Amino acid sequence: EVQLVESGGGLVQPGGSLRLSCAASGFTFSSYWMHWVRQAPGKGLVWVSRINSDGSSTNYADSVKGRFTVSRDNAKNTLYLQMNSLRAEDTAVYYCARVGSYGLHLKYWGQGTPVTVSS
Amino acid sequence: EIVLTQSPGTLSLSPGERATLSCRASQSVSRSYLAWYQQKPGQSPRLLIYGASTRATGIPDRFSGSGSGTDFTLTIGRLEPEDFAVYYCQQYGSSPPQFGQGTKVEIK
Repeated sequence: EVQLVESGGGLVQPGGSLRLSCAASGFTFSSYWMHWVRQAPGKGLVWVSRINSDGSSTNYADSVKGRFTVSRDNAKNTLYLQMNSLRAEDTAVYYCARVGSYGLHLKYWGQGTPVTVSS
Repeated sequence: EIVLTQSPGTLSLSPGERATLSCRASQSVSRSYLAWYQQKPGQSPRLLIYGASTRATGIPDRFSGSGSGTDFTLTIGRLEPEDFAVYYCQQYGSSPPQFGQGTKVEIK
């Protein structure tokens, strides 16, 4: 069974940093692209970042470019999102998601980890 | 960057009725790389449809997707009580793989 479990969320002051983790199990982690998607309270889904299977290629939404860094450790089956220079507008639930076996749609999602940026 | 516009914002229907949700793209979506997701309150999104028209594993056949180019539709044949939720489209044919703003299907 595919499982994605996010952790690392919490309360952080504006300008602070946080690192989210997504522990993957039930599949060959090193074979799949992974994504981060966020959802502000009461709002819709917003794509944040993605990384290819070996970590050599990454993409970011304009709103987080230069502040967030996605990475992965295929030996540890873990995806990361390093978030620096956090702003109030980064407050959201952050989901990690895995693509499908035959396409880049988001087939599996974690339960999400909440991030609150506030003083 | 492709912008997805979903309509209507809210759809008020009764159980048993048919729901038709629209997703319009600002540019043609490459190879119909368009997905639909369902999200219920307090839950993670769930994949319903990918490739514009292929149902994901375990999705009931009352859910169907259609369209190509810039116009896509999600149809729910007969609404069941568990179908009242928010639905999002997403294009994944080009970067960034953006989502639409969502359509809420609520009980009338």
